[in-house]
Amino acid sequence: EADIYQTPRYLVIGTGKKITLECSQTMGHDKMYWYQQDPGMELHLIHYSYGVNSTEKGDLSSESTVSRIRTEHFPLTLESARPSHTSQYLCASRDHNEKLFFGSGTQLSVL
Amino acid sequence: GESVGLHLPTLSVQEGDNSIINCAYSNSASDYFIWYKQESGKGPQFIIDIRSNMDKRQGQRVTVLLNKTVKHLSLQIAATQPGDSAVYFCAEMDTGRRALTFGSGTRLQVQP
Repeated sequence: EADIYQTPRYLVIGTGKKITLECSQTMGHDKMYWYQQDPGMELHLIHYSYGVNSTEKGDLSSESTVSRIRTEHFPLTLESARPSHTSQYLCASRDHNEKLFFGSGTQLSVL
Repeated sequence: GESVGLHLPTLSVQEGDNSIINCAYSNSASDYFIWYKQESGKGPQFIIDIRSNMDKRQGQRVTVLLNKTVKHLSLQIAATQPGDSAVYFCAEMDTGRRALTFGSGTRLQVQP
């Protein structure tokens, strides 16, 4: 079982609010990822990091930002949430065998 | 562009039967493939993976088959159980890509 944690599990907020979705892993993985997933749909990569102080944008354009100050922590921030940001956000980390481990996700609803 | 897709959006099987979930990919440079299971309200869970130097790999009750000639991947689940009900995603990666590319998923429904 992978040790990767996301908080909060569910979040309902109003338009214009700033939010940070937390993701932490205790496996010492250098590579971490954020995916966005709408119900029943495929996962879209929005951000990734190959190590401390390394962050890149993914395939899907996103207004969110990420930071990687510590290996175990990869938070995602929305400066001004909008209803179009309503989705599930999944954090993952990858081991040296390329295996990707996912957290349980944060279900975000912006009113 | 590159894509990974699934042939059947929903698959319904009887408990005890074998299930086969198919996936097509278009990037011929892909050399690593993974099947994930996602239950409602949870993150994807790793099931089994296969590298391009293999054409078959078996796990516990699951088998992945890779046909590089036609760029096709399948997941076989033996003696399907109600607990297998979930959405199944295939994902692919090549050495030049940054991360896994996921397909759109197949929902497996197991009828008791």
